Amino acid sequence: AQTVTQSQPEMSVQEAETVTLSCTYDTSESDYYLFWYKQPPSRQMILVIRQEAYKQQNATENRFSVNFQKAAKSFSLKISDSQLGDAAMYFCAYSPWVTSYDKVIFGPGTSLSVIP
Amino acid sequence: NAGVTQTPKFRVLKTGQSMTLLCAQDMNHEYMYWYRQDPGMGLRLIHYSVGEGTTAKGEVPDGYNVSRLKKQNFLLGLESAAPSQTSVYFCATGLAGPYEQYFGPGTRLTVT
Repeated sequence: AQTVTQSQPEMSVQEAETVTLSCTYDTSESDYYLFWYKQPPSRQMILVIRQEAYKQQNATENRFSVNFQKAAKSFSLKISDSQLGDAAMYFCAYSPWVTSYDKVIFGPGTSLSVIP
Repeated sequence: NAGVTQTPKFRVLKTGQSMTLLCAQDMNHEYMYWYRQDPGMGLRLIHYSVGEGTTAKGEVPDGYNVSRLKKQNFLLGLESAAPSQTSVYFCATGLAGPYEQYFGPGTRLTVT
């Protein structure tokens, strides 16, 4: 079965510091997408970053970057220069887009607090 | 543009009552999804649609029905609500499947 694991239910970071959120997944597929979604207290789900498995280069979006280790099935999110607005739940998600375009499997989430 | 909207935002039901949640989008996306979010479990797919007039089951479809009579609307129905259906429900749309999903603001449903 395809699963997504986030082993850190809660994390905290000082403002302006860097934090890394962990995610591992289990799949037998070779082509898939990986995502990080942010859910602030407003409850709105926002796509932070996306990685295509066939791309070796790690995705980056401004202060957000990922460390994608395909062989290890690991997909961590690094937030640099943390800001108060980064406080949110972060969900890692996986989609086997080649075989099942309808399926997106979400991890349980990591709650990130930013300390002023 | 409103993006993806959900109606209502909050609702309290008694066990056995029925209701319909409406998801509306103005982005002309073909794909639409209904998820439920429960504490500690992330989001789970209930039903989805790949175009007007089509629907399909997701991971947790039991107790729910859906309809997509118009491209811009995706309805989620609960025929006989149960306390286990207490959750936050999210609608999402996509231009090309899960590649980039746009989420609505969610509906918090409580079944007593």
